[in-house]
Amino acid sequence: ETGVTQSPTHLIKTRGQQVTLRCSSQSGHNTVSWYQQALGQGPQFIFQYYREEENGRGNFPPRFSGLQFPNYSSELNVNALELDDSALYLCASSLGGEGYEQYFGPGTRLTVT
Amino acid sequence: AQSVTQPDIHITVSEGASLELRCNYSYGATPYLFWYVQSPGQGLQLLLKYFSGDTLVQGIKGFEAEFKRSQSSFNLRKPSVHWSDAAEYFCAVAGANDYKLSFGAGTTVTVRA
Repeated sequence: ETGVTQSPTHLIKTRGQQVTLRCSSQSGHNTVSWYQQALGQGPQFIFQYYREEENGRGNFPPRFSGLQFPNYSSELNVNALELDDSALYLCASSLGGEGYEQYFGPGTRLTVT
Repeated sequence: AQSVTQPDIHITVSEGASLELRCNYSYGATPYLFWYVQSPGQGLQLLLKYFSGDTLVQGIKGFEAEFKRSQSSFNLRKPSVHWSDAAEYFCAVAGANDYKLSFGAGTTVTVRA
């Protein structure tokens, strides 16, 4: 059984650019959630995808968007990057869309300069 | 809106001593409660969870937590700390009909020899 994987591990972007982060869910899981963790803070919920449909969204602007594919892997896209977008982006997979325990990947460290 | 408070930002404990991390939550219905651990530069690992039933739950790595509804608390304990327990610990809450985890700001645990 493979766990949650994310790519890339690190990346550096310039303000105004666009970025795509990728996540492969744990085997058997059909739900992916994305979180942003700024330095020294707890993770903040961005959105969740359940069976390829957005299942809920946190307090993030529309320039944060996502996709889930038929194999339940997922992408997080961020347009018009701002300096405050610098953070660790965590992907978590679970079985079911509500109230189920979520298993996290190692994260992608995004630095915006 | 649900929220989690972890009153202690940083705790230092001697190796072999006991550890208790505090967590208070705010949630209108029956909560699902979690403790996660994060080592430097890593993702989150689930230590234990409470959904229902026995209010004392056992987790991995020798950790346990007790749910106290009257105090809206879910404190994490370990009888004897090992140097490898040095990490960041996050308490989180979700609901049975909810799709997101709400995290506290975390408690950093330092273990001294």
